[in-house]
Amino acid sequence: GEDVEQSLFLSVREGDSSVINCTYTDSSSTYLYWYKQEPGAGLQLLTYIFSNMDMKQDQRLTVLLNKKDKHLSLRIADTQTGDSAIYFCAEKQEYGNKLVFGAGTILRVKS
Amino acid sequence: GAGVSQSPSNKVTEKGKDVELRCDPISGHTALYWYRQSLGQGLEFLIYFQGNSAPDKSGLPSDRFSAERTGGSVSTLTIQRTQQEDSAVYLCASSSLGGNTEAFFGQGTRLTVV
Repeated sequence: GEDVEQSLFLSVREGDSSVINCTYTDSSSTYLYWYKQEPGAGLQLLTYIFSNMDMKQDQRLTVLLNKKDKHLSLRIADTQTGDSAIYFCAEKQEYGNKLVFGAGTILRVKS
Repeated sequence: GAGVSQSPSNKVTEKGKDVELRCDPISGHTALYWYRQSLGQGLEFLIYFQGNSAPDKSGLPSDRFSAERTGGSVSTLTIQRTQQEDSAVYLCASSSLGGNTEAFFGQGTRLTVV
């Protein structure tokens, strides 16, 4: 199959770290993405990682890729209330170059 | 245009009527996707167009749903005999091929079936 799976909901306290996990099925995926959707807004690309990388860091964001286990995670350090959103992971499949999205993880940040 | 454009932004229709939703992708993008998002929920894949290849229609929920992409550019999603469960935000995205193919999303069409 071509499922990309994510947990549905994550709640954290302001200032804590958030870790959102994702599993995918296509071992030949070339790129993996994290998108963010704020309330009432469209999806925006947050970050991405090439499949030959294990880690990518961008300010408060750290992406970890375990290609063997087909597991992707997004860590947000010092989570803020403005980080409350739905986070979607996506894989770019090698065959057909199709982007497959997970159903999204709702991140709720409590102040 | 500069981004993916969808119209209308909002559509209220009576149960049983047909609706057409339009998507104008970013110029030059060969890949186009339609997704559906129910209130506060995740993305549900509907259909994927890639260049001149046959579209991947595996996500269309019923034969009331169809989509076209004319001239490799504008796409229309048609829902016939709308039902209340069709109420959702319909999102369109486009991307180029090769390398890091970021998908750019439109703002969506909010469809309400009454």
